[in-house]
Amino acid sequence: SYELTQPPSVSVSPGQTARITCSGDALPKQYAYWYQQKPGQAPVLVIYKDSERPSGIPERFSGSSSGTTVTLTISGVQAEDEADYYCQSADSSGTYWVVFGGGTKLTVL
Amino acid sequence: EVQLVESGGGLVQPGRSLRLSCTASGFTFGDYAMSWFRQAPGKGLEWVGFIRSKAYGGTTEYAASVKGRFTISRDDSKSIAYLQMNSLKTEDTAVYYCTRDLGTVGPDWFDPWGQGTLVTVSS
Repeated sequence: SYELTQPPSVSVSPGQTARITCSGDALPKQYAYWYQQKPGQAPVLVIYKDSERPSGIPERFSGSSSGTTVTLTISGVQAEDEADYYCQSADSSGTYWVVFGGGTKLTVL
Repeated sequence: EVQLVESGGGLVQPGRSLRLSCTASGFTFGDYAMSWFRQAPGKGLEWVGFIRSKAYGGTTEYAASVKGRFTISRDDSKSIAYLQMNSLKTEDTAVYYCTRDLGTVGPDWFDPWGQGTLVTVSS
């Protein structure tokens, strides 16, 4: 099976920069997407096609890609950014349509 | 405003069936594919299945874990997507989400998501 690997948790103080990574062998060939999920709420798309930001998502959210790793960066973290973040992509063979990372819990100290 | 609202969740016994509905508004439903996801309590997100728009045949794809038991369909005249779940197992217990799928040929990326509906499979 194809897997995307995320750190289980990341902690930052308010105003600092949080970086959440996602690694997968197919990421050089497949776009990655990032979703934010707050407790008891549905996921929200925050980054698409590696680095594009949907309308309505604050500019402090950005995405980047390098080789087999994509990164979600949140600059000037705010308390409201505390949430689980999931990366999503697909394998390059077409076998696995949709794959999620295990999720990263962002804690704002 | 683009909005998706799921309904039909509840408590069901193992082996029984349940049908979830996803009612869409704020966009031309028939132009888009739709996907269903689920999230077991305290766990991550799992893709369940996908239905193409009629322009791409209206056909479906499923995760291996539900293939043969779950069926996705759509009624474009009512802007509703359905998830028919048969032969339910306790491990199907989860919050089920529908999403607008920005893919065409296959599932791709998902925005927005509905608020979810809880399905509990228990005797």
